[in-house]
Amino acid sequence: GIQVEQSPPDLILQEGANSTLRCNFSDSVNNLQWFHQNPWGQLINLFYIPSGTKQNGRLSATTVATERYSLLYISSSQTTDSGVYFCAVESQTSGSRLTFGEGTQLTVNP
Amino acid sequence: EPEVTQTPSHQVTQMGQEVILRCVPISNHLYFYWYRQILGQKVEFLVSFYNNEISEKSEIFDDQFSVERPDGSNFTLKIRSTKLEDSAMYFCASDQGEWLYEQYFGPGTRLTVT
Repeated sequence: GIQVEQSPPDLILQEGANSTLRCNFSDSVNNLQWFHQNPWGQLINLFYIPSGTKQNGRLSATTVATERYSLLYISSSQTTDSGVYFCAVESQTSGSRLTFGEGTQLTVNP
Repeated sequence: EPEVTQTPSHQVTQMGQEVILRCVPISNHLYFYWYRQILGQKVEFLVSFYNNEISEKSEIFDDQFSVERPDGSNFTLKIRSTKLEDSAMYFCASDQGEWLYEQYFGPGTRLTVT
């Protein structure tokens, strides 16, 4: 099946810093989503971005489907940005299931 | 904005007991999913459901698991005889179609098997 690799696995920032999280995938995809898992365990949809670039406030994401990667940018980070960020993809060859990466654990210190 | 809801938020059960986790997908969605996340690990696909039948299932979804849409709004996951290793967060999700649609996730049910 499709492989999804996220980097870095852990990231520690000072409040106000910018960061880039990366998601590489091994096959062509129909769908790519970014999630933030909050301290209560809920998965918050950030972006649905099978290709192109989207922005939502301090967050933006870019997916280059032909090169099989996606990037999530967080600018002016805040302590509330802390948590795990997951990339999930729907492969073109394995039905509609989402395959998740291992996640990036982000800690933003005050 | 419509959202996927799940009940209960937390369930504690004894090993060997049956549990039913409930979900109400978004009303105009056609595909329904269950995923699970063991503590500290990534989210894993269990099963997808469309037109009142399973459309795809993973290796995890063995005979101990079953899904049902008992009425026009609920979607349930049943674990017949729980094991310690079933302890996890279970997420329900739904979307409008098979491909090229965003999946919307519920808040999860944390299942603890003692």
